[in-house]
Amino acid sequence: NAGVTQTPKFRVLKTGQSMTLLCAQDMNHEYMYWYRQDPGMGLRLIHYSVGEGTTAKGEVPDGYNVSRLKKQNFLLGLESAAPSQTSVYFCASSYSGVAGVYNEQFFGPGTRLTVL
Amino acid sequence: RKEVEQDPGPFNVPEGATVAFNCTYSNSASQSFFWYRQDCRKEPKLLMSVYSSGNEDGRFTAQLNRASQYISLLIRDSKLSDSATYLCVVNIRYGQNFVFGPGTRLSVLP
Repeated sequence: NAGVTQTPKFRVLKTGQSMTLLCAQDMNHEYMYWYRQDPGMGLRLIHYSVGEGTTAKGEVPDGYNVSRLKKQNFLLGLESAAPSQTSVYFCASSYSGVAGVYNEQFFGPGTRLTVL
Repeated sequence: RKEVEQDPGPFNVPEGATVAFNCTYSNSASQSFFWYRQDCRKEPKLLMSVYSSGNEDGRFTAQLNRASQYISLLIRDSKLSDSATYLCVVNIRYGQNFVFGPGTRLSVLP
């Protein structure tokens, strides 16, 4: 039982390049999330998904796209990377989205992205 | 005002000390509350959920005051391994509305 995994762990991009971050979970969770974490800012929600085939915008969605073609996978894409997207990206999943009902989030180990 | 605010820290305490973390939230519609811990360069991990009646897990005690929109975490007999950043997390209504506080860093010193 691997929990939540993320690939890659590290990546360096040049401005304007594109890339996709992959998140996978083996807990059969319905809900999945992408966050970014910057110093002093806490985690901020980029996009989330409440089930296979559905996605929605979070607090800071600009410059990112996502897809959830399979229940266990949630992909985050950067179409044209910018230095402002240098950050640590965390994926998370939860069984439920209903407050108070098994909605604790489980996080992957993170992807450290640097955009030059 | 930020949605979730925490003590700015860092807290530097000796082993065996008792340390308290405070967190306030601005949205009265908040439904679920959590404390996560995050070790340096690692992912956040759930420490404990916070229930209305307060709850305890070993050396850790969490309290919720809905009227004051305030959450606390008390660590008793602190260990070196408790050194981490503690994140207060508030869930507004549904799973997508998790709001994380900026965290308070704790260093337990020998």
